[in-house]
Amino acid sequence: GQQLNQSPQSMFIQEGEDVSMNCTSSSIFNTWLWYKQDPGEGPVLLIALYKAGELTSNGRLTAQFGITRKDSFLNISASIPSDVGIYFCAGQRRAAGNKLTFGGGTRVLVKP
Amino acid sequence: DTEVTQTPKHLVMGMTNKKSLKCEQHMGHRAMYWYKQKAKKPPELMFVYSYEKLSINESVPSRFSPECPNSSLLNLHLHALQPEDSALYLCASSQTGADYGYTFGSGTRLTVV
Repeated sequence: GQQLNQSPQSMFIQEGEDVSMNCTSSSIFNTWLWYKQDPGEGPVLLIALYKAGELTSNGRLTAQFGITRKDSFLNISASIPSDVGIYFCAGQRRAAGNKLTFGGGTRVLVKP
Repeated sequence: DTEVTQTPKHLVMGMTNKKSLKCEQHMGHRAMYWYKQKAKKPPELMFVYSYEKLSINESVPSRFSPECPNSSLLNLHLHALQPEDSALYLCASSQTGADYGYTFGSGTRLTVV
């Protein structure tokens, strides 16, 4: 099925660094969501975005809904070890019955 | 209660076994979902229930049989599975008619031997 293009696929972080990831699509979405998944667990919703241009923060996390409604980014500031995990973007379209379309995921790892 | 609870957390079954996965939520959500997730991949939608009725089946093989006994419970009955069906099975719920995102359970790690 349709998939969002999420990049990077993986990244290494050092404690204290800011990191960024993004998702793009050829289709418009009504809602953009960012989830984090830890090993052996289900995805946990981090941030939900409902309006084009919206910028929303949740602690050290900031996400934006692109003006064209076809993209979104997630920033993590001052990363800490527990930020390790897989981050998924997801889009929802009312015309598609609000089904979630997921990006391929960004795997965040700690620099050795 | 803001959780989706899935049981069991782990399941190992033979290819001739019949087993069931269970999912429960008490958030008043009237839409419930089953997803399958393979390692290092995003979740893939299997089934959607809306108001206890099956609304979407993403061409899932009949060896997977969903059931929604009431607005809080969702089951996935498994029969004659194949080793390639081994995966993390996730349940999720959401409000209907709204785009607020889904709440996911912790999943059942299924291994078919």
